[in-house]
Amino acid sequence: GEDVEQSLFLSVREGDSSVINCTYTDSSSTYLYWYKQEPGAGLQLLTYIFSNMDMKQDQRLTVLLNKKDKHLSLRIADTQTGDSAIYFCAESPSRSNDYKLSFGAGTTVTVRA
Amino acid sequence: ETGVTQTPRHLVMGMTNKKSLKCEQHLGHNAMYWYKQSAKKPLELMFVYNFKEQTENNSVPSRFSPECPNSSHLFLHLHTLQPEDSALYLCASSQDGGSGSYEQYFGPGTRLTVT
Repeated sequence: GEDVEQSLFLSVREGDSSVINCTYTDSSSTYLYWYKQEPGAGLQLLTYIFSNMDMKQDQRLTVLLNKKDKHLSLRIADTQTGDSAIYFCAESPSRSNDYKLSFGAGTTVTVRA
Repeated sequence: ETGVTQTPRHLVMGMTNKKSLKCEQHLGHNAMYWYKQSAKKPLELMFVYNFKEQTENNSVPSRFSPECPNSSHLFLHLHTLQPEDSALYLCASSQDGGSGSYEQYFGPGTRLTVT
């Protein structure tokens, strides 16, 4: 199977919270990332978390890391139409190869009015 | 210009053509990457250059040929491509300076269609 897995689609009502989930396989991952891709654009780094943390908050974004279950989530509070995009989870597999990221296939988030 | 730029943004080429994709980063980074993005598939890392030296070639067919003349510029030379090579090609850069987190910054991509 893939190293990083995500569900492909998420539909959320405007104003609600979105939760995007990701699982990974490499227990030696040092950093885990969330990227956002809007139509016609490249990937934009949203946030990242170091593996010795279990939570990181940045304005409307909250990242939760469960290292035991190798599960990462991204919560977007008060979801807006501008949050419609594809969200990618990525991991740095090991300390010696931190430059080499493994990406999931992306979760397409659709925000409906 | 700031960030990572890529040209052209769109490219249509026949299987017998030769073309090149260009990437330029204005972030002072010293590592650059080529990725292939196909629909509903994880990003595929193709090549990595660190301080102008190729450090990764992820079993990419020889019809894709990278070139990194300096830390700011990266090219992908294309020849005799196949229709299945149609995809979005993304360039990225990062700082390899022991900062710990090697955040990669992406360009907008080149949408390639092989006819």
